[in-house]
Amino acid sequence: DIQMTQSPSTLSASVGDRVTITCRASQSISSWLAWYQQKPGKAPKLLIYKASSLESGVPSRFSGSGSGTEFTLTISSLQPDDFATYYCQQYNSPVVFGQGTKVEIK
Amino acid sequence: QVQLQESGPGLVKPSETLSLTCAVSGYSISSGYYWGWIRQPPGKGLEWIGSIYHSGSTYYNPSLKSRVTISVDTSKNQFSLKLSSVTAADTAVYYCARGRGSYPLIGAFDIWGQGTMVTVSS
Repeated sequence: DIQMTQSPSTLSASVGDRVTITCRASQSISSWLAWYQQKPGKAPKLLIYKASSLESGVPSRFSGSGSGTEFTLTISSLQPDDFATYYCQQYNSPVVFGQGTKVEIK
Repeated sequence: QVQLQESGPGLVKPSETLSLTCAVSGYSISSGYYWGWIRQPPGKGLEWIGSIYHSGSTYYNPSLKSRVTISVDTSKNQFSLKLSSVTAADTAVYYCARGRGSYPLIGAFDIWGQGTMVTVSS
C-alpha cells in the first residue's frame, strides 16, 4: 500500500509569510495528488488537484508542485483565513490521505 | 449546484452495523464520477473508507474491506455505507464526497457533505 507522509505536522507562521508544506509518497504516484484545507467542524475543501491544478474559486496564493514521490503546497502570502489544517491525498492507488499539517498563528 | 447530505443514526452499539446514506442533489449519480465515504475520528486525520463508481464498481480501503459495503440507488439518487462489527474505534465524523476522477482513478474529492458524527457505544 502507498503511504503518504506530510511534514511538518505543525507549522507556526505569521500573516504575510510564505508557507510550504511537503507531502512524500512511498512510491511514485505520477501527478495524482490533491491538497485540501480543513477548518474545525467543517468538511475539507479541495484546493489543488493533479498536483498543480488550482481548483476553481481558490485564491491564486495557493499553488502546488511536484511529481513522482515528492510534492509541495505553497501559500505565497499567508492570510488570516488560511490558518487551518492541510491534507494531501494520493489517488493513484486507490486513495490515501496524509496525516495533516496544522498551520497555526505564530 | 451539487450538494451531498449524509443521514443515519448518530449512535450505534458495539458489534452492530453502522448504516449511513448520502443523498445527492443537483447531479445524477448515474451520469458519472465516483461516490465515496471518508471518516475522521475526533481530533485525528482523514481516512478513506471506500468509493463506488456510477456503474456500481466498488473500491475499498484494504484495512476496512472485510467490514464495508457501499451501494448505490440510482432511482433515489443516493448511495449508502454499511460498516459491520463496529467498535469504539469506528467513532468518527463520516463524510460522503464525490470523486471527480475518470476510470480507473477515483480522483480528487471536490464536493463534500457536511459530515455526520457517529458514536459507537453501548
